[in-house]
Amino acid sequence: SAVISQKPSRDICQRGTSLTIQCQVDSQVTMMFWYRQQPGQSLTLIATANQGSEATYESGFVIDKFPISRPNLTFSTLTVSNMSPEDSSIYLCSGGQGANTEAFFGQGTRLTVV
Amino acid sequence: LAKTTQPISMDSYEGQEVNITCSHNNIATNDYITWYQQFPSQGPRFIIQGYKTKVTNEVASLFIPADRKSSTLSLPRVSLSDTAVYYCLVGDNSNAGNMLTFGGGTRLMVKP
Repeated sequence: SAVISQKPSRDICQRGTSLTIQCQVDSQVTMMFWYRQQPGQSLTLIATANQGSEATYESGFVIDKFPISRPNLTFSTLTVSNMSPEDSSIYLCSGGQGANTEAFFGQGTRLTVV
Repeated sequence: LAKTTQPISMDSYEGQEVNITCSHNNIATNDYITWYQQFPSQGPRFIIQGYKTKVTNEVASLFIPADRKSSTLSLPRVSLSDTAVYYCLVGDNSNAGNMLTFGGGTRLMVKP
């Protein structure tokens, strides 16, 4: 198993600013993912964080808005850039070994943009 | 990408067995079926995964018919703490994002 820690757990930010969310795994994982979840709704995959290369973004998400880093097998960051109130959501980090194994999730970062 | 369909919500009572069915009519040969549980203000938690027939662990059972176009998550003797949202996912590891694409989920309410 793996334990995933996210920081910050919540934040309130001014529109036009950027926030970087950190995701730390207590063991090496092959794959890491970033999701967004509106309260009461399902999770939407933003991107797959690839170690040492550019992240793979899902339709509707772009690197300029959500730059992602993954410098090693235990850490990743997601930046929400030039924020607007529409970016208010819960952002979740996930990691796993792939090969049809289970994925582990962080507790999420609750972001409010005012 | 195999799309999943689940009931939006279900109610049950403590001590009962709960069966949540997920439809995935266009499941591909290499796809696995995975279920996650999510409590409020927490990230999803893996429950069980299977490819065909039946899989059982200490938490649940997963029943998959021969055509694999549906699957049923069975929770034995639920308690109030099983109140959560349950997600059925279908995908394979050839596309990592495909493997972890969440559908609408089923909101299970367990009543005393």
